[in-house]
Amino acid sequence: EADIYQTPRYLVIGTGKKITLECSQTMGHDKMYWYQQDPGMELHLIHYSYGVNSTEKGDLSSESTVSRIRTEHFPLTLESARPSHTSQYLCASSGLQGGNIQYFGAGTRLSVL
Amino acid sequence: AQSVSQHNHHVILSEAASLELGCNYSYGGTVNLFWYVQYPGQHLQLLLKYFSGDPLVKGIKGFEAEFIKSKFSFNLRKPSVQWSDTAEYFCAVNADSSNTGKLIFGQGTTLQVKP
Repeated sequence: EADIYQTPRYLVIGTGKKITLECSQTMGHDKMYWYQQDPGMELHLIHYSYGVNSTEKGDLSSESTVSRIRTEHFPLTLESARPSHTSQYLCASSGLQGGNIQYFGAGTRLSVL
Repeated sequence: AQSVSQHNHHVILSEAASLELGCNYSYGGTVNLFWYVQYPGQHLQLLLKYFSGDPLVKGIKGFEAEFIKSKFSFNLRKPSVQWSDTAEYFCAVNADSSNTGKLIFGQGTTLQVKP
């Protein structure tokens, strides 16, 4: 069982609010990822990091930002949430010691009213 | 652009029926291939993977998949499904030579097994 945690699991907020979705892993993985998934659709990579202080945007454009100040922590921030940001956000991590297999958190389901 | 295509969006089977879920990818180079499963209310978890070697790989819970390089396919199979196999199944490909580990996912297949 992988140790990767996301909070909150569910979040309902109003338009214009700033939010931070938390993701932490205790496996010492160097790589971490954020995916966005709409119902019935594929996961789209929006951010990834291959180590501390390294972050890059993924294949799907996103207005969110990320930071990687510590190996175990990879938070995602939306400065001003909009209804178009309503989606599920999944965090994952991988590392050489895990055979470069990605392990996923339980996800945060975000609804912006 | 690289892409992954899963042929069936929604599959309904009776218990004990055989299962095959199709997955094709578009990339001509070396790939790592994965099937992930998401049971209702749970997080995505790895079902099986192919990195190299024997193209027929076995995963958890009796699932297997066959990598056919000439067909760019990695189909998932199970001889006899159970009600507990009801879940969403995602095929994913890592075709990243720079070793970032990035995955490209298919759109997923929802499997419903009737008891």
